[in-house]
Amino acid sequence: AQSVTQLDSQVPVFEEAPVELRCNYSSSVSVYLFWYVQYPNQGLQLLLKYLSGSTLVESINGFEAEFNKSQTSFHLRKPSVHISDTAEYFCAVSKGGATNKLIFGTGTLLAVQP
Amino acid sequence: DAGVIQSPRHEVTEMGQEVTLRCKPISGHDYLFWYRQTMMRGLELLIYFNNNVPIDDSGMPEDRFSAKMPNASFSTLKIQPSEPRDSAVYFCASSLNLDGYTFGSGTRLTVV
Repeated sequence: AQSVTQLDSQVPVFEEAPVELRCNYSSSVSVYLFWYVQYPNQGLQLLLKYLSGSTLVESINGFEAEFNKSQTSFHLRKPSVHISDTAEYFCAVSKGGATNKLIFGTGTLLAVQP
Repeated sequence: DAGVIQSPRHEVTEMGQEVTLRCKPISGHDYLFWYRQTMMRGLELLIYFNNNVPIDDSGMPEDRFSAKMPNASFSTLKIQPSEPRDSAVYFCASSLNLDGYTFGSGTRLTVV
């Protein structure tokens, strides 16, 4: 069975500092990986995804994540955060194919301080 | 496209009452998912449909919960009777193939 582990429940960081949100997964088969962001009182929004091809994927707002098969990780990074990046970030894994079911991690709250 | 539309946005009801949550997925999406989010348990998948057919309802907590998808553009999640521990934010999401899910804005349910 697949599972997703987000070790950090909360990551405080100062504005303009770099940040890394960690995500590890376990699966015996090839997977598809996603990061979702949830702003306060809103639904989840897709931030970026890895399906195949280049292991480094980027979002339009400066985040990037790298699929590392040997370490079974898909950490999310941003070189310089803004106050507006404050949100809950969820890592998710899917086997894809017929089931198409996403398994979500427990989430990491990114708290950007001025 | 208006995205995934959920109604109501907020629902406050008394214990024992029936609650119905509604979802309109994105047109053309063939998967629909119902999730529940609480501080204690995070995001839980309750049930999902493929082409209007329930595929996996193993996450439905009890017989008090039921979900239907009578057509490709509408789904309901019903709780009868409701209990205070059902208080949560309920999200509907739809998907086409492997492009990830599009979530609705959620229904915040409070059972008093």
